[in-house]
Amino acid sequence: KAGVTQTPRYLIKTRGQQVTLSCSPISGHRSVSWYQQTPGQGLQFLFEYFSETQRNKGNFPGRFSGRQFSNSRSEMNVSTLELGDSALYLCASSLGLQGSNQPQHFGDGTRLSIL
Amino acid sequence: GNSVTQMEGPVTLSEEAFLTINCTYTATGYPSLFWYVQYPGEGLQLLLKATKADDKGSNKGFEATYRKETTSFHLEKGSVQVSDSAVYFCALKQGERGQGAQKLVFGQGTRLTINP
Repeated sequence: KAGVTQTPRYLIKTRGQQVTLSCSPISGHRSVSWYQQTPGQGLQFLFEYFSETQRNKGNFPGRFSGRQFSNSRSEMNVSTLELGDSALYLCASSLGLQGSNQPQHFGDGTRLSIL
Repeated sequence: GNSVTQMEGPVTLSEEAFLTINCTYTATGYPSLFWYVQYPGEGLQLLLKATKADDKGSNKGFEATYRKETTSFHLEKGSVQVSDSAVYFCALKQGERGQGAQKLVFGQGTRLTINP
């Protein structure tokens, strides 16, 4: 069974640009969550999508947005990039069903560098 | 709000030493608890989990017991190997009532180095 796939693995952008990251979940998983990992702040939750709807949101500015498609694939967009957005962005998928204790499975991440 | 606190690293041990990485949490109700491991250049891999009090999660020689009375989920391994060198994250998940919302709250991570 294929794992969570994130593309691209590496990105270099400049301040003010925008970027879109992609995540393909494990087959059958309907929940996709996004996390930002930085040395200073650690792992922080961005948002979660389930059945094409945002179900949960972390404390990030509106420049960070996402969406989920009918096949459960998800994209995350960051507009007006800032130096502080440099991070490893991790996507995780799970069944996401009510009452389920199934864990989240992570991809290898997209490393975004802002120059 | 919910939070997770891990012992600060880095932790350096010799091969075959006993490992303990402390983890305590603050949460209302009964969260599920997890340990994830991150190897260089990779994402997070689930190491083990426990979903209710007194549950013991175990995998690859690692163990952790969900202790509600001390709000702890310490990671242990009896004999570490060089290949265990990685960053370890303790995390909790507490979905909103009646929903399956997936949000993990992570500790700050503990870098473990095992010397031969």
